[in-house]
Amino acid sequence: SQTIHQWPATLVQPVGSPLSLECTVEGTSNPNLYWYRQAAGRGLQLLFYSVGIGQISSEVPQNLSASRPQDRQFILSSKKLLLSDSGFYLCAWSLPGQGAREQYFGPGTRLTVT
Amino acid sequence: AQSVTQPDIHITVSEGASLELRCNYSYGATPYLFWYVQSPGQGLQLLLKYFSGDTLVQGIKGFEAEFKRSQSSFNLRKPSVHWSDAAEYFCAVVPWGGYQKVTFGTGTKLQVIP
Repeated sequence: SQTIHQWPATLVQPVGSPLSLECTVEGTSNPNLYWYRQAAGRGLQLLFYSVGIGQISSEVPQNLSASRPQDRQFILSSKKLLLSDSGFYLCAWSLPGQGAREQYFGPGTRLTVT
Repeated sequence: AQSVTQPDIHITVSEGASLELRCNYSYGATPYLFWYVQSPGQGLQLLLKYFSGDTLVQGIKGFEAEFKRSQSSFNLRKPSVHWSDAAEYFCAVVPWGGYQKVTFGTGTKLQVIP
């Protein structure tokens, strides 16, 4: 069966510091991978998605970036965090060809920028 | 513009009572439709989905949803709510041809009172 992991679970970082969040999927090959941000009281905002290694699509211009160094690894990064980057970050995966029509979410990372 | 609306931010129901959560969408053509549930501090879990066919779809945990094309709605229902159903519920849509681009509603938080 497939599982998705995210770490860290929680993170407190000062403004201006770098960020690296990691997501890995087990039990499947060539998944579609997604990063979402959920701000308090708001729905989920799609940040990035990837259909393969090195293929990243950005949905929202911001100071975040994403990379996919391995087939089942998806990393969300920032060089300098802003206060507005605080939120709950969720990684998701779906089967090739399914797109976003059936997504499976990880447990999330709670990021607080101070 | 394409949008997904969940008009109820917060709903309180008594345990054992029936539940209906509303979702309306605005898209040029009928999109793929989903309901997800999120427990506090957790990722999202898919409850059910509608792609085509029978307009009444059954999901997990005793939930069902009805697609009404004339009203551009996809409301979630449960005949008898359990205390464990307390969570936040998100409606989501994926447009035809835009398989990677999912739009979530802002969510409805469900409180269940004994």
